[in-house]
Amino acid sequence: DQQVKQNSPSLSVQEGRISILNCDYTNSMFDYFLWYKKYPAEGPTFLISISSIKDKNEDGRFTVFLNKSAKHLSLHIVPSQPGDSAVYFCAATTSGTYKYIFGTGTRLKVLA
Amino acid sequence: NAGVTQTPKFRILKIGQSMTLQCTQDMNHNYMYWYRQDPGMGLKLIYYSVGAGITDKGEVPNGYNVSRSTTEDFPLRLELAAPSQTSVYFCASTHRGFGNTIYFGEGSWLTVV
Repeated sequence: DQQVKQNSPSLSVQEGRISILNCDYTNSMFDYFLWYKKYPAEGPTFLISISSIKDKNEDGRFTVFLNKSAKHLSLHIVPSQPGDSAVYFCAATTSGTYKYIFGTGTRLKVLA
Repeated sequence: NAGVTQTPKFRILKIGQSMTLQCTQDMNHNYMYWYRQDPGMGLKLIYYSVGAGITDKGEVPNGYNVSRSTTEDFPLRLELAAPSQTSVYFCASTHRGFGNTIYFGEGSWLTVV
């Protein structure tokens, strides 16, 4: 039972263009969502998050959008840079549980 | 700035052997986690702990045991290693409170042959 799904295992984008990574969830109790970035042979590092009381959060080149009715969130990276090439995981949790559930990841390749 | 530290980084085990993956954090975090990452399968939660003396099962707990005797340490025990436990293991931790991110260690690569 995969509560958090990333249906695209990989994505290739030209440098300077927009990268859009998608994530779907099934548990309507989730109220906090995070995106992590992972380089090979390293642990995941936090990128950006969003609470369910918002529908958008921006941090520099990274924007996360949340559509609660569709149980869908997306990460936009504009402009994409070669250094953004990594695996991106979305994660979700319900406040008070401290149990973070991760998706399967999307491998982003930004082509120079 | 040690953060979350995992040892060992790499280990090869024979089927049926036992071992413990060590995890320690120096951020005084209440909550600690063990995840495993299999190719194409994302990060699966094995066990987590909300404080010393309290642990709970995650999504894939079978074949593992944990303990939390101190705030800093959260070891993961494999009692009878099986090839299906070949994976990369990540320890993580976070503060109490809504809206906190979790911080990961660098990972432990385990191969069971």
